[in-house]
Amino acid sequence: SQKIEQNSEALNIQEGKTATLTCNYTNYSPAYLQWYRQDPGRGPVFLLLIRENEKEKRKERLKVTFDTTLKQSLFHITASQPADSATYLCALDGSGGYQKVTFGTGTKLQVIP
Amino acid sequence: GAVVSQHPSRVICKSGTSVKIECRSLDFQATTMFWYRQFPKQSLMLMATSNEGSKATYEQGVEKDKFLINHASLTLSTLTVTSAHPEDSSFYICSASRDSDGYTFGSGTRLTVV
Repeated sequence: SQKIEQNSEALNIQEGKTATLTCNYTNYSPAYLQWYRQDPGRGPVFLLLIRENEKEKRKERLKVTFDTTLKQSLFHITASQPADSATYLCALDGSGGYQKVTFGTGTKLQVIP
Repeated sequence: GAVVSQHPSRVICKSGTSVKIECRSLDFQATTMFWYRQFPKQSLMLMATSNEGSKATYEQGVEKDKFLINHASLTLSTLTVTSAHPEDSSFYICSASRDSDGYTFGSGTRLTVV
């Protein structure tokens, strides 16, 4: 069966360090993978999309890698700040190019001042 | 940027009554919108895909007669939870896509059925 796995344990990191979150998937052949941020009681906010033919993508302090062989994406936040504390979700598109995306369970990041 | 407005943000209703949640794309037209529900500490689960001018497509296990979806215009989709029961209490979120880069989500609706 299809699975999207993110570390369910909360990630605590010191301010200024780089946070790295992992998204692993099985039985998917996604054309793209997305990362979202979700704050408590709010809807997710889109951060980055990386396509299957892209190895890496950057946006300001964010970097995403996509390894279709390992079936894994890594999400990095450099120079982390307390304001980065949130739950981060990865999402994969469905098969056949359909618009539907499926979300992982998310990893809660806590940046400690 | 693309904005999706969802209303109400919170609603408490009595068991057996119906609740309507609205989702509007404010600055773009959305032929397709998506409805999700999220239980505490769990991920978003897609309930249905709302298609403008046609019937919604429901995910397996979602009762279409209980969760009525109407997408009457290119900027508005509504989800009506009919005959709500306490187990329907959840966080409901809609989303839409303006372009090929990511989805824009509404701020969500916290439904509590008492």
